Amino acid sequence: DAKTTQPNSMESNEEEPVHLPCNHSTISGTDYIHWYRQLPSQGPEYVIHGLTSNVNNRMASLAIAEDRKSSTLILHRATLRDAAVYYCIRNQAGTALIFGKGTTLSVSS
Amino acid sequence: DAGVIQSPRHEVTEMGQEVTLRCKPISGHNSLFWYRQTMMRGLELLIYFNNNVPIDDSGMPEDRFSAKMPNASFSTLKIQPSEPRDSAVYFCASSSPSLLDTQYFGPGTRLTVL
Repeated sequence: DAKTTQPNSMESNEEEPVHLPCNHSTISGTDYIHWYRQLPSQGPEYVIHGLTSNVNNRMASLAIAEDRKSSTLILHRATLRDAAVYYCIRNQAGTALIFGKGTTLSVSS
Repeated sequence: DAGVIQSPRHEVTEMGQEVTLRCKPISGHNSLFWYRQTMMRGLELLIYFNNNVPIDDSGMPEDRFSAKMPNASFSTLKIQPSEPRDSAVYFCASSSPSLLDTQYFGPGTRLTVL
C-alpha cells in the first residue's frame, strides 16, 4: 500500500513549468514526503523530500500543503530529460520506502 | 564514489536453474534494499537489511528466494529454482541514516528466465 495518490500520467512542453500533484490525506505527523523519479531503463533516483516546509534544491521544488494532506513537485523548466516516472512516497524515518505506480511525465519539444 | 554496483547487468537462464544476483552498496551506507520491478506489479520491496541484519523480508515472494548480507560491502539475492515468472529487473539500493533514508539505486539486473 503506497498510501499516496498520483495521476497516472501528465504531459508538458519543454521549458514550461510542471506541477506534479500527490495526495496523502492519511499522512501522520512524523511521515516525511519523498519524491523519486525513474528515467527509462534506469533505477529510481532521489529528487527531493520534506516534512512540513516547502523545500528547494537544484532539481526541483516541493510545495507541501499547510495541512500536509497533499504536496506538489514543481519542475521549474521541463526538459526532454525530465521525461520519467515520478513517485511520491510517504514514510517514517527509519522505515523502508514503498513505491506506488507514480506519474508518467511526458515532455514534448 | 562509484555508486551502488550490481552484477550481472543481464542474466538469461533456463527454468529450474539457480540464479545469484550481487550488490555492492555505497561505502558507509548501513541499509541495503532489494527491489523487483515488473510491468504488472511495479516496483516491489523484497527485503531490506540494516547493519547487515535482515529487518523485513515480508516482500520475498516464496521460499525459492533468499538474500544474504555477509558484510557491509556485499549482498546477494538468490533464486533457486528459477521460474519464468521471476523474469524482472532487480534493483539494489543503499542508504545512510545521516541522509534521512535517501536511497541510492544501482542500475539493476535484468533477469530473463526461459
